[in-house]
Amino acid sequence: DGGITQSPKYLFRKEGQNVTLSCEQNLNHDAMYWYRQDPGQGLRLIYYSQIVNDFQKGDIAEGYSVSREKKESFPLTVTSAQKNPTAFYLCASSEWTASGGYTFGSGTRLTVV
Amino acid sequence: QQQVKQSPQSLIVQKGGISIINCAYENTAFDYFPWYQQFPGKGPALLIAIRPDVSEKKEGRFTISFNKSAKQFSLHIMDSQPGDSATYFCAASNGGSGGYQKVTFGTGTKLQVIP
Repeated sequence: DGGITQSPKYLFRKEGQNVTLSCEQNLNHDAMYWYRQDPGQGLRLIYYSQIVNDFQKGDIAEGYSVSREKKESFPLTVTSAQKNPTAFYLCASSEWTASGGYTFGSGTRLTVV
Repeated sequence: QQQVKQSPQSLIVQKGGISIINCAYENTAFDYFPWYQQFPGKGPALLIAIRPDVSEKKEGRFTISFNKSAKQFSLHIMDSQPGDSATYFCAASNGGSGGYQKVTFGTGTKLQVIP
């Protein structure tokens, strides 16, 4: 079945550590996205990528980094520069124009301890 | 101008009732209005979507009503069931001439359907 796989489902990080969240899709979608979800704030765009080896900052990119070395993969690194990283992180993909909407993964819940 | 305002923040409906969630937008360039359904601990899933050339779209118990002049659209869930209990997000995007379309999401409505 086609879909998006995010791992791990739960992640705990100590302050000062970088962590990488995995996102893999087998939908042959061109575009991939990372969103952060906090209660009462909806979904906020962190980074997006339309093609391999290219990505753009979203609305809240500070403290995050991404790479897009393969069409299927779009990992997100939460760096120690992110001051409030505890959140639910969602990866999504779409066809190039997103005219058919997004397909989301099941998310990774990151907690800083 | 990119905001999408969603209301109410939470909603409790009795089983069999009608759930109504409203959204309003400002950017008249938006041309695609999807609704997403999210269960706890899961990612959102596309539920139903509409384009501004129609005023209503129905899929099963779910209907989008679209009012272009008022820049408002709403989701109606008929015969609401406990299994519909979830958070619902409206969204809007504009395609323009193609390429990247920024999707703007509403802040979500937590729906609880009680037996």
